[in-house]
Amino acid sequence: DQQVKQNSPSLSVQEGRISILNCDYTNSMFDYFLWYKKYPAEGPTFLISISSIKDKNEDGRFTVFLNKSAKHLSLHIVPSQPGDSAVYFCAASAGGGADGLTFGKGTHLIIQP
Amino acid sequence: GAVVSQHPSRVICKSGTSVKIECRSLDFQATTMFWYRQFPKQSLMLMATSNEGSKATYEQGVEKDKFLINHASLTLSTLTVTSAHPEDSSFYICSARGTVGGYTFGSGTRLTVV
Repeated sequence: DQQVKQNSPSLSVQEGRISILNCDYTNSMFDYFLWYKKYPAEGPTFLISISSIKDKNEDGRFTVFLNKSAKHLSLHIVPSQPGDSAVYFCAASAGGGADGLTFGKGTHLIIQP
Repeated sequence: GAVVSQHPSRVICKSGTSVKIECRSLDFQATTMFWYRQFPKQSLMLMATSNEGSKATYEQGVEKDKFLINHASLTLSTLTVTSAHPEDSSFYICSARGTVGGYTFGSGTRLTVV
């Protein structure tokens, strides 16, 4: 049973526009959420995180929104740049971020010029 | 920033042999090390969690006698795949957690068992 779901395997966005990546989770014990960017044959690169006590966290072009009641989070990238093309993973943890991470299957973001 | 060095990046081994993967935290002390694997077109799956000086805790379905984890120091953890078989071919990644929190990932190891 997939506890973290990224239902869009891929997303194509024009350069300069907003990219919105979505993630849903089922485990109500999750209280810490992260987004990672990953290239093939490399480890994930941390982008941004959010604790369940917040509903928004912003870092430069990246903003993560958390809707606890809907068990949904999203990553907004604006403006999108060609270098943003990669696979993005949503991950969740229980225990305030002390436990191992549960990952979604990833969304392949393609930024078109 | 925090860096985790993982070696080797690629390894090909014969079926029945053992392979050791190392992860070192270069500029911080890794009190906890997580080991993941990723099969093609799948998400990263947590295999086990190890705290320095303690036995590793394995996720359901992961054989502890097959995947030996050693975390003898605060800067080094190893995963040994024993008696490897072709179905163990996967991408293995470590993630270290220090006293200040956060998860720092290694660059991964592509294991191919022939």
